[in-house]
Amino acid sequence: DGGITQSPKYLFRKEGQNVTLSCEQNLNHDAMYWYRQDPGQGLRLIYYSQIVNDFQKGDIAEGYSVSREKKESFPLTVTSAQKNPTAFYLCASSMLQEGHGYTFGSGTRLTVV
Amino acid sequence: ELKVEQNPLFLSMQEGKNYTIYCNYSTTSDRLYWYRQDPGKSLESLFVLLSNGAVKQEGRLMASLDTKARLSTLHITAAVHDLSATYFCADETSGSRLTFGEGTQLTVNP
Repeated sequence: DGGITQSPKYLFRKEGQNVTLSCEQNLNHDAMYWYRQDPGQGLRLIYYSQIVNDFQKGDIAEGYSVSREKKESFPLTVTSAQKNPTAFYLCASSMLQEGHGYTFGSGTRLTVV
Repeated sequence: ELKVEQNPLFLSMQEGKNYTIYCNYSTTSDRLYWYRQDPGKSLESLFVLLSNGAVKQEGRLMASLDTKARLSTLHITAAVHDLSATYFCADETSGSRLTFGEGTQLTVNP
């Protein structure tokens, strides 16, 4: 079955540590996105990519980095520069043709310990 | 600035009642999406509205789109507890990017 897989489901980060969240899709979608969601809040766009080896900053890119070396994969690194990383992180993918919307992964809950 | 505004942001209603969630958007793309999110879970696609006057229904939920008013509505008929969730609308800009509203947190009480 086609889908989008995020791992791990839960992740704990120590102060000053970088951590990487995985996002893989087998839907042959061109575009991939990373969102952050804080409790009781909406979605805020971190980064997105519409083509391999290219990506753009979203609204809250500071303290995060991404890569898009393969069409299927769009990992997100939360660096030590992100001072308040505790949140729910959602990855999504879409076709570039309009009218299809996003498919979301199941999310990764990141907690600083 | 691209904006998508939902109201209300919080809605508490009794089982069996009807209510409408409103979504105003600012772009001219006229493609509008509704998603549902259960607590601690990801977003699930509910409706895709692609033209003026589009109406989609699934069970007790019905979504519509008025592109002239740049307004979409999500109508809940005879609410049941299982509909308790957060509902997001999203407007599509060029290149298939979505701009999300803040979400409406719906609680259906017995």
